[in-house]
Formats: sequence, structure tokens, C-alpha cells
Amino acid sequence: SQELEQSPQSLIVQEGKNLTINCTSSKTLYGLYWYKQKYGEGLIFLMMLQKGGEEKSHEKITAKLDEKKQQSSLHITASQPSHAGIYLCGAAPYSGGGADGLTFGKGTHLIIQP
Amino acid sequence: NAGVTQTPKFRILKIGQSMTLQCTQDMNHNYMYWYRQDPGMGLKLIYYSVGAGITDKGEVPNGYNVSRSTTEDFPLRLELAAPSQTSVYFCASSYGQGVYNEQFFGPGTRLTVL
Repeated sequence: SQELEQSPQSLIVQEGKNLTINCTSSKTLYGLYWYKQKYGEGLIFLMMLQKGGEEKSHEKITAKLDEKKQQSSLHITASQPSHAGIYLCGAAPYSGGGADGLTFGKGTHLIIQP
Repeated sequence: NAGVTQTPKFRILKIGQSMTLQCTQDMNHNYMYWYRQDPGMGLKLIYYSVGAGITDKGEVPNGYNVSRSTTEDFPLRLELAAPSQTSVYFCASSYGQGVYNEQFFGPGTRLTVL
């Protein structure tokens, strides 16, 4: 079965600083999703990556998938209090079918200090 | 559209009691999922459904049952609640399968079994 390891487990960053969260897969990734979860709430979709070397950006968040498709990173530029929360990476199953759900990492807790 | 809705938001059960967690989506999605999230852990898939009348087990199905009589609803039944079922439960849905099908999540149900 596929396993996703996220690092770091938690991160405290001063407001305005940049940060990076990593997600490493035990197998080749055929679709990698990034979600954000605010404490006590549901998951909000951020981005999906599929192709090796792919990079996507939304506002101040950039996600990349490496050429070998086994590692993804999420980079936040000039962090703001609104970025605080839990970031989760999720992998689509090998078959390409989403029918049996996503495999998730344990999440990275991000705290932004004013 | 309301998206994916879940009820109740919070619930405390005594050991041995039963309950049903409700999940409804108004996006006409074929695929629906139930996950549980334990503290410090990622989401684990409990059950999923590819359409009305069709359900299948995920990674952690023991102690749960599901049904899918309509496209919109996907209730999760807990029989004989145990402390190990204390968790946050998320329902999700997607239009189809494949890596490009984003899963939309509900706000979650926080369940405590005492």
C-alpha cells in the first residue's frame, strides 16, 4: 500500500516569512492533492498535481511535483495569519480511480506568529 | 449549492450505543466516501460508494456499516460504539474517478465514545 510522509509535523513561522512543507511517497504518485484544514473544520482543496515537474500556484502558495513523481512540496511566500492550519497531502490510487479514496499523510500543523 | 453537509456536528455516545452519521451532497456526484481522522493522524478511508446501491470497504471498515439508496445520501452507521471509534468523521464526494476528480469534503462530525 502507498504511504505518504509529511515533514515537518509542525511548523511555527513568523508572519511574513516563507516556508516549505514536504510530502514524500513510498510509491510513484499518479495524482497528488494538497488540502488545507482549519482547526475543527473540513478540508479545503488547494491544488492537484499529476505530471512530473509540474508546478502550480494560487495566490501565495506554490506546489511542485518532482520529476520522479515521488515527492511534492508546498511553498508559502510571505506567510499570513490566514495561512495557519493543517496541510494535508493526499495521493490518488495507482489505478487512476478515485473510487477507493485518497491516501493521506498525517498532516503538517502550521502556526503563524505575529 | 450547499456542497457536502454532515449532521450532527458533535455527538457523545456511551459504549454500546448506536448512531447514524448523516451525509448529503447536492452536486450530483456519483462517488462518496467516509473517512475518519484521529489526532495526529491522516484521514483513513472507512467505506466508499461508486453510485446508488453500490458500496465497498475501505481501509478501516470494522464496526461500521453504510448504505447508499440515493445519489445524494450516504449515511454511516455505528453499531455498538466503542472508545476506539472516538474520532472526527468526514464525508466526501467526487464527480467521478481518476486523478482529476477533486474530492469535496463536509465539515465533519466530532464523535466521542465514553
